Amino acid sequence: SYVLTQPPSVSVAPGQTARITCGGNNIGSKSVHWYQQKPGQAPVLVVYDDSDRPSGIPERFSGSNSGNTATLTISRVEAGDEADYYCQVWDSSSDHRHVVFGGGTKLTVL
Amino acid sequence: QVQLQESGPGLVKPSQTLSLTCTVSGGSISSGGYYWSWIRQHPGKGLEWIGYIYYSGSTYYNPSLKSRVTISVDTSKNQFSLKLSSVTAADTAVYYCASDGDYGDAFDIWGQGTMVTVSS
Repeated sequence: SYVLTQPPSVSVAPGQTARITCGGNNIGSKSVHWYQQKPGQAPVLVVYDDSDRPSGIPERFSGSNSGNTATLTISRVEAGDEADYYCQVWDSSSDHRHVVFGGGTKLTVL
Repeated sequence: QVQLQESGPGLVKPSQTLSLTCTVSGGSISSGGYYWSWIRQHPGKGLEWIGYIYYSGSTYYNPSLKSRVTISVDTSKNQFSLKLSSVTAADTAVYYCASDGDYGDAFDIWGQGTMVTVSS
């Protein structure tokens, strides 16, 4: 089965840039989606199809995907960005599509 | 704007069947192209996909749960449901229903989640 690997934690000072990686075998050939989850809340989609932003998501959130690594980049980090972030892909096997989530990364704003 | 709302018992006894319903509002569950999904999150842990029912009625489940999971649709009530049999304490989690919507096959529509505890 397909595995997505994320670092458990990333720390960054306010105003700096946070980069959260998501590793997977040839992940560059897949579309990667990113979710932000704050405590006690449902996940929120922040980036879809590698690098697109849903309506209402600040431009500070961006994404890239190439080779074996996808990256969520958060520029000019704010205290309100502190949350867990999950990457997700659809994997196809045996004529079915199934969902794979990364293990999640806790972003701490120092 | 489609919205989802989970409902069901918050406490289930071990060995029994967990049953949850997700009510779809603001749109039709019969609309084409949607993966009506269930996702859970164990306390303090990450997201685990349980399975989905496609608008066509086809289903696919996480292989690790496949033997115990059934997802079905009731179009007359605009709902889809999750049944998880033979539950144990390891099934204690927050259960979310979710669907793709306006952004490719990303899950941009989520219910608020419902906590289910398995305990006698």
